[in-house]
Amino acid sequence: KNQVEQSPQSLIILEGKNCTLQCNYTVSPFSNLRWYKQDTGRGPVSLTIMTFSENTKSNGRYTATLDADTKQSSLHITASQLSDSASYICVVFTSGTYKYIFGTGTRLKVLA
Amino acid sequence: NAGVTQTPKFQVLKTGQSMTLQCAQDMNHEYMSWYRQDPGMGLRLIHYSVGAGITDQGEVPNGYNVSRSTTEDFPLRLLSAAPSQTSVYFCASSYLAGDSTDTQYFGPGTRLTVL
Repeated sequence: KNQVEQSPQSLIILEGKNCTLQCNYTVSPFSNLRWYKQDTGRGPVSLTIMTFSENTKSNGRYTATLDADTKQSSLHITASQLSDSASYICVVFTSGTYKYIFGTGTRLKVLA
Repeated sequence: NAGVTQTPKFQVLKTGQSMTLQCAQDMNHEYMSWYRQDPGMGLRLIHYSVGAGITDQGEVPNGYNVSRSTTEDFPLRLLSAAPSQTSVYFCASSYLAGDSTDTQYFGPGTRLTVL
């Protein structure tokens, strides 16, 4: 069964600190992996997209890594800001059924 | 370029009523999809389409119908609303390139309450 699991479920950090969110997937065939940010009450917004051949992708203070062998990805947030408080969702697109498989997300809260 | 638009923003229905949630995109995207998000939960796929005239079921399709007569529009129909369909509904669109260019864009959502 195609699945995307994320950890931790929730995380609280102080402003200025770094954090890393984890994603494990069992999706086949794999096409690409994305990280989305979802602010409360809004639709998700794409942060990074990585294909099979890409190990790392950055978008400002967000850096995503992909290990296709172990089927793991991480999202590292550097020097967190209050505006980083949101849910971060790992999504894998499979070309087998043309579906985006969503993880349940990590809720991040950044405190001043 | 308006991106992905959804109407209405809010809707209250009584049990048994039917309605259509509208979704439109102006980016010429082949791929469109509908998700529901219950409070504190992740997004679940209802239906999706890889092009005009082609639709398929997601993981929670019961109680919903879709059609894709044009590239731009992908309406979601609730046949007979039930309280279990109270949720926030998101429409999304993207190209089908399978690479880093096919960013998925989401609409602002429709908040539906079924009494």
